[in-house]
Amino acid sequence: TQLLEQSPQFLSIQEGENLTVYCNSSSVFSSLQWYRQEPGEGPVLLVTVVTGGEVKKLKRLTFQFGDARKDSSLHITAAQPGDTGLYLCAGVDNDKIIFGKGTRLHILP
Amino acid sequence: EADIYQTPRYLVIGTGKKITLECSQTMGHDKMYWYQQDPGMELHLIHYSYGVNSTEKGDLSSESTVSRIRTEHFPLTLESARPSHTSQYLCASSEAGGRAYEQYFGPGTRLTVT
Repeated sequence: TQLLEQSPQFLSIQEGENLTVYCNSSSVFSSLQWYRQEPGEGPVLLVTVVTGGEVKKLKRLTFQFGDARKDSSLHITAAQPGDTGLYLCAGVDNDKIIFGKGTRLHILP
Repeated sequence: EADIYQTPRYLVIGTGKKITLECSQTMGHDKMYWYQQDPGMELHLIHYSYGVNSTEKGDLSSESTVSRIRTEHFPLTLESARPSHTSQYLCASSEAGGRAYEQYFGPGTRLTVT
């Protein structure tokens, strides 16, 4: 069974700090997606990474796909209260998409 | 901007009632999905469809059923609701090719069965 482990499960930091969250698996994925979900809403796609070693930037968010396409990280620079939410990674393998349990991030003003 | 809608947003019903959760998308996506998500837990795929008249069960066993008579519409039905069905139900859609599997989610229906 393919599993995506996300760490940490919970993270609470002060506004302005930097942080990194991780998404790890023993399986290889053809692509990996990151979503952010706010309370009472559905997840919203942030980025898809496809190539091993790929780095994508979305303003203060930097996403990296591992060289072996088994893991990914999300780095946020100078976190803001608006970054608060549940961050989900999802791996795609052939016909299946698998979600991790997510990292719940809380940015304190 | 994704256009996928779910109704109702919140539903509280008694045990034994039949309910249908509605999901519609206006993007012309062939693929549609239903997920179940409990608080603090991961998304579990319960049903998916790759097009009209196509429906498949997902990884998590569910007593619900789905239908796909029109491309834009993917309703989920529970014939007899039970308290164990209390959860958040999320509908999603994605394109058939290219950026396949990138999921566009609706806002969800929070179901409580008393």
